[in-house]
Amino acid sequence: GAGVSQSPRYKVAKRGQDVALRCDPISGHVSLFWYQQALGQGPEFLTYFQNEAQLDKSGLPSDRFFAERPEGSVSTLKIQRTQQEDSAVYLCASSLTGGGQLQPQHFGDGTRLSIL
Amino acid sequence: AQTVTQSQPEMSVQEAETVTLSCTYDTSENNYYLFWYKQPPSRQMILVIRQEAYKQQNATENRFSVNFQKAAKSFSLKISDSQLGDTAMYFCAFTSYNTDKLIFGTGTRLQVFP
Repeated sequence: GAGVSQSPRYKVAKRGQDVALRCDPISGHVSLFWYQQALGQGPEFLTYFQNEAQLDKSGLPSDRFFAERPEGSVSTLKIQRTQQEDSAVYLCASSLTGGGQLQPQHFGDGTRLSIL
Repeated sequence: AQTVTQSQPEMSVQEAETVTLSCTYDTSENNYYLFWYKQPPSRQMILVIRQEAYKQQNATENRFSVNFQKAAKSFSLKISDSQLGDTAMYFCAFTSYNTDKLIFGTGTRLQVFP
């Protein structure tokens, strides 16, 4: 498809397990963003890539969260030693150019992560 | 720090009527963009409309229009001729020229009744 693709759509993990969430941006999009959306809240910024460079990771809540985009396309968000407060929907977005405010961000369907 | 506030957790409107969703924001920046996003139950966030702060003219997209009051830091969304498919969460969002990340409000749940 032509949109941002995220997998898995749902993920259930036990507390303490590691999880990996995948994002396939729109082909050719330079910028890629990760957001965390808690139940009933607006999305909150986690991190931002321009091609393979991680330009902003100020929103990552702890050092258990790690994101990468090694070839400048697909990105993976990894959460180590998951905790219950990590339960949320994780949204990925991409935009055509760097300086994403000039181009709209296109969002995927998100991954709903539930930590038991 | 920039903040976005949506003071209406829920709104409802009858089909074909007009509804206005409120949003205020706080920033010390002079150059920025404002957005309204729609999130249906399917979860995919869809851009509805955007406004560039340096433009005085209010943005419009078909049945959607904004009332941008820069001095008051207000950015409301008007939906005319509401349709059942407009039922969704609506998020107001901000980004400045100095950053690429979006800062979202807490959302307004809009229900359109037949």
